[in-house]
Amino acid sequence: AQSVTQLDSQVPVFEEAPVELRCNYSSSVSVYLFWYVQYPNQGLQLLLKYLSGSTLVKGINGFEAEFNKSQTSFHLRKPSVHISDTAEYFCAVRGGATNKLIFGTGTLLAVQP
Amino acid sequence: SAVISQKPSRDICQRGTSLTIQCQVDSQVTMMFWYRQQPGQSLTLIATANQGSEATYESGFVIDKFPISRPNLTFSTLTVSNMSPEDSSIYLCSVDGVSGANVLTFGAGSRLTVL
Repeated sequence: AQSVTQLDSQVPVFEEAPVELRCNYSSSVSVYLFWYVQYPNQGLQLLLKYLSGSTLVKGINGFEAEFNKSQTSFHLRKPSVHISDTAEYFCAVRGGATNKLIFGTGTLLAVQP
Repeated sequence: SAVISQKPSRDICQRGTSLTIQCQVDSQVTMMFWYRQQPGQSLTLIATANQGSEATYESGFVIDKFPISRPNLTFSTLTVSNMSPEDSSIYLCSVDGVSGANVLTFGAGSRLTVL
């Protein structure tokens, strides 16, 4: 079965600084990887996805992530964050026989002025 | 991409009552999913709802507590039965494939508070 680990429950960062949110997954088969964002009191929005092809994927709002199969990681990065990026970020994996979407525990990105 | 509407968006319920959450999609979809997000927690899959068949429940979730209907390809309901304060959560429906293959799109969620 697949699983996802987000080691950082909260990441504080100053505005305009770069940020990396870490995500590691566990799977014995090929998987699809996703990052979703949840702004305060809102639903879940897809930020970016890796299905196949280039290991560097770009998403909305200037975010990007790199799929690293050898390290089973899919870290999310942004070179310069804005106050409006404050939100909960969820890494998720999908694949295998069940094809269920499994979420990590989430990382709260707290951007400070 | 598809529009997913959930009703109610939020509700406050009394212990012991039941509430039905509706999920409407503006296009036909084969697979729909129901997730629960407890306060401060991540999302946990409750069940998969395919049209024309019984819902498939995940470990820890049972049909008596969370009955699901899927009458057609655009609509599903989730009922939270005999609620207790522990059921206070956000319940989200999601659909597969409307924003691309293998991508789940989520509704805005239904925030339930049980007193």
